Amino acid sequence: AQSVTQPDIHITVSEGASLELRCNYSYGATPYLFWYVQSPGQGLQLLLKYFSGDTLVQGIKGFEAEFKRSQSSFNLRKPSVHWSDAAEYFCAVGAESSGTYKYIFGTGTRLKVLA
Amino acid sequence: KAGVTQTPRYLIKTRGQQVTLSCSPISGHRSVSWYQQTPGQGLQFLFEYFSETQRNKGNFPGRFSGRQFSNSRSEMNVSTLELGDSALYLCASSLPPAGQQYFGPGTRLTVT
Repeated sequence: AQSVTQPDIHITVSEGASLELRCNYSYGATPYLFWYVQSPGQGLQLLLKYFSGDTLVQGIKGFEAEFKRSQSSFNLRKPSVHWSDAAEYFCAVGAESSGTYKYIFGTGTRLKVLA
Repeated sequence: KAGVTQTPRYLIKTRGQQVTLSCSPISGHRSVSWYQQTPGQGLQFLFEYFSETQRNKGNFPGRFSGRQFSNSRSEMNVSTLELGDSALYLCASSLPPAGQQYFGPGTRLTVT
């Protein structure tokens, strides 16, 4: 069965420090991969997506992610975190199932940024 | 283009009642998915509708149902509410077959 794992429930970094959020997936083929961000009480906003091609994907707000097929990973990175990046981050997989696509979300990583 | 809209934004109901939530997708999007988000269970997929037909269904009891209209607007209904149904219900629309999902702000349902 398809699954998405975000091993870090909480991460705390200082403002200006670099950030890496981990995401591992289980799927038989190459899935569509997404990272979303959610601020408190809000819906999810797409940061970036990978469908095919270049395995290093650039997104909004200075985020990037790298698809590594051999490790079944799609980790999110940012070189310098801003206080406004404090939020919850979700990795998601779009996987084909019986001719349609299902979206499976990880459990999320809550990011805290220290001033 | 206007984003995904959900109404109402907040709702308080008592146990045993039923509730209907509404979602209007982005213009031109024919796929609408519903998710339940709770602190304990995270984001859980409820169901997806495409062209008025339910295409996928998550692992929720039959008390949870939905429908989609010809203009792609969707509603979800929860009957015989339980305390555990308190959650943020998110709606997302997308272009098929597997385009990115655009999420609405959610409806916060509180069951007392």
